[in-house]
Amino acid sequence: AIQLTQSPSSLSASVGDRVTISCRASQGISSSLAWYQQIPGRAPKLLIYAASYLGDGVPSRFSGSGSGTDFTLTISSLQPEDFATYYCQYFIIDPYPLFAFGPGTKVDVK
Amino acid sequence: QVQLVESGGGVVQPGGSLRVSCAASGFTFSSYGMHWVRQAPGKGLEWVAFIRYDGINKYYADSVKGRFTISRDSSKNTLYLQMSSLRREDTAVYYCAKDRWNYFRDWGQGTLVTVSS
Repeated sequence: AIQLTQSPSSLSASVGDRVTISCRASQGISSSLAWYQQIPGRAPKLLIYAASYLGDGVPSRFSGSGSGTDFTLTISSLQPEDFATYYCQYFIIDPYPLFAFGPGTKVDVK
Repeated sequence: QVQLVESGGGVVQPGGSLRVSCAASGFTFSSYGMHWVRQAPGKGLEWVAFIRYDGINKYYADSVKGRFTISRDSSKNTLYLQMSSLRREDTAVYYCAKDRWNYFRDWGQGTLVTVSS
């Protein structure tokens, strides 16, 4: 099975900082990758899909890039509401649908 | 707007069974695939199961295959997860999620299942 790794596992940042989170797949997954934000006690929220497309209502300070095995989520200017845990997620269709998440990256206040 | 409301969580003994439900509204339920995703306390997200829009094809994570069954009732706009032979490691918040292009577009608030004696 394809494994996703995220780095760093956690980071401390300040409001206004540019934040970059990496997600690496053990095999190529084309652009079949999404990013989710989860605030403690709440359900995850889809931020980015197909590696680089912004989810509905997601602020433009969030962006995604990459394809194949290496992907990046960037927050251009961290806002107070962005302190959360971020997960990447991939899917494959052949030979049958399979889905998995990365282990997560926690962004907290410096 | 899309609303997904899980219910049916609770405490169950190891080896026991439990069914959780997800009531859907705000969209044409019969046109979308649906997922169950779980999150153990303090841990990350784990995909559990997926059912296609027509309810015919179902797919499971290896960790639950043979023990859990996903189903749907489009007449009731409801998704189900029947869990049997429960283990302590199945303790988690169980979320239902609406599929969109193989991503988890909308989520419910989750229901907590605790497997404990």
